[in-house]
Amino acid sequence: QKEVEQDPGPLSVPEGAIVSLNCTYSNSAFQYFMWYRQYSRKGPELLMYTYSSGNKEDGRFTAQVDKSSKYISLFIRDSQPSDSATYLCAMSETAGNNRKLIWGLGTSLAVNP
Amino acid sequence: EAGVAQSPRYKIIEKRQSVAFWCNPISGHATLYWYQQILGQGPKLLIQFQNNGVVDDSQLPKDRFSAERLKGVDSTLKIQPAKLEDSAVYLCASSFRKGDTGELFFGEGSRLTVL
Repeated sequence: QKEVEQDPGPLSVPEGAIVSLNCTYSNSAFQYFMWYRQYSRKGPELLMYTYSSGNKEDGRFTAQVDKSSKYISLFIRDSQPSDSATYLCAMSETAGNNRKLIWGLGTSLAVNP
Repeated sequence: EAGVAQSPRYKIIEKRQSVAFWCNPISGHATLYWYQQILGQGPKLLIQFQNNGVVDDSQLPKDRFSAERLKGVDSTLKIQPAKLEDSAVYLCASSFRKGDTGELFFGEGSRLTVL
């Protein structure tokens, strides 16, 4: 069993839809959770960062962590064609530069106009 | 602020040949990472430097891959000899902050095709 599981998709939705992207994990010691967005032929960029359980909102994006279920989600409201990208979850036990990040496979999202 | 620079962007080589990738991190970023990303997969850490010292190279295939970061700034990743399964995008990333997110800033990657 992989430490982090993420459905690779692809996921295709119409413009304006609410998108839900998810990752599950097995290591209960994970405390720091990140979502990176990767456009085609580009490097990943940090989208959302969450510590421990709870929700975090930034514009149209909401990150949710449920540590009891070992499940994290990224919600995108009013999705736009510019949201078409691969979304990677990543998580770690500790913070800072020396932490070991564990990555999901990434979910490919296409938002159709 | 200039981002992470990588070159070359694309490289095609025959198996058993050698290749080198170069990375210049964001100015002032002490930590530098090399990741391998195979199509349809998440990034896999190959090596992590803190200044010019190696923090983690546990997943670096040391029989064929080598990396150095002279003077704690730019870095070079070399593959010799290349195998078909080395076809991937090689991503360089750097980070600065120690206490909080430790956000990784990625370059655009170097795409390697081994024939």
